[in-house]
Amino acid sequence: DTAVSQTPKYLVTQMGNDKSIKCEQNLGHDTMYWYKQDSKKFLKIMFSYNNKELIINETVPNRFSPKSPDKAHLNLHINSLELGDSAVYFCASTSKGGLSAMSAFFGQGTRLTVV
Amino acid sequence: GQQLNQSPQSMFIQEGEDVSMNCTSSSIFNTWLWYKQDPGEGPVLLIALYKAGELTSNGRLTAQFGITRKDSFLNISASIPSDVGIYFCAGQAGGTSYGKLTFGQGTILTVHP
Repeated sequence: DTAVSQTPKYLVTQMGNDKSIKCEQNLGHDTMYWYKQDSKKFLKIMFSYNNKELIINETVPNRFSPKSPDKAHLNLHINSLELGDSAVYFCASTSKGGLSAMSAFFGQGTRLTVV
Repeated sequence: GQQLNQSPQSMFIQEGEDVSMNCTSSSIFNTWLWYKQDPGEGPVLLIALYKAGELTSNGRLTAQFGITRKDSFLNISASIPSDVGIYFCAGQAGGTSYGKLTFGQGTILTVHP
């Protein structure tokens, strides 16, 4: 069974469109994240939610809006897509506490291409 | 913001050779993690380090959490072709940064049979 699953895996869309990426984890984790990986493979955190509450927002443009309907799901909605939004977006999750809390499990990624 | 400097950026080695890569930071981290990313996949956790000075092994992989808490290294012994991929270090600072991982730039490893 997939621990952290994202859909879609690939997304090609035109500038100006609005799109969503979905993420679900079946690990029972309390905290979920969105990371962005650019063309140079650099990974940078965007958002973090703990039990449906936003706890990290790394100065991401407000065109990006995360939504967590429950602690097993964290979706990312992007408005008015721009060419520079093209990247691979990774969802991740961690457990609430203990030593293993910082061991993030990542999804397979969504490769977004804006044309 | 916090930055991690990971080196080398890339390595080309022969099968059977040992590999070493490291990460340094200008600030302290409470946790160091090492991930591997295969093409088209998400990063997969290899080793997690939680205490300064800790040395941990996972099969042919060995990683250490530096005493100063500002660095970590990863060694791979007797490399094999499936070790090919991008290796990332990641640190977590604690406090208000709880849960936020800062990643290094990655080391691209190529293993020639």
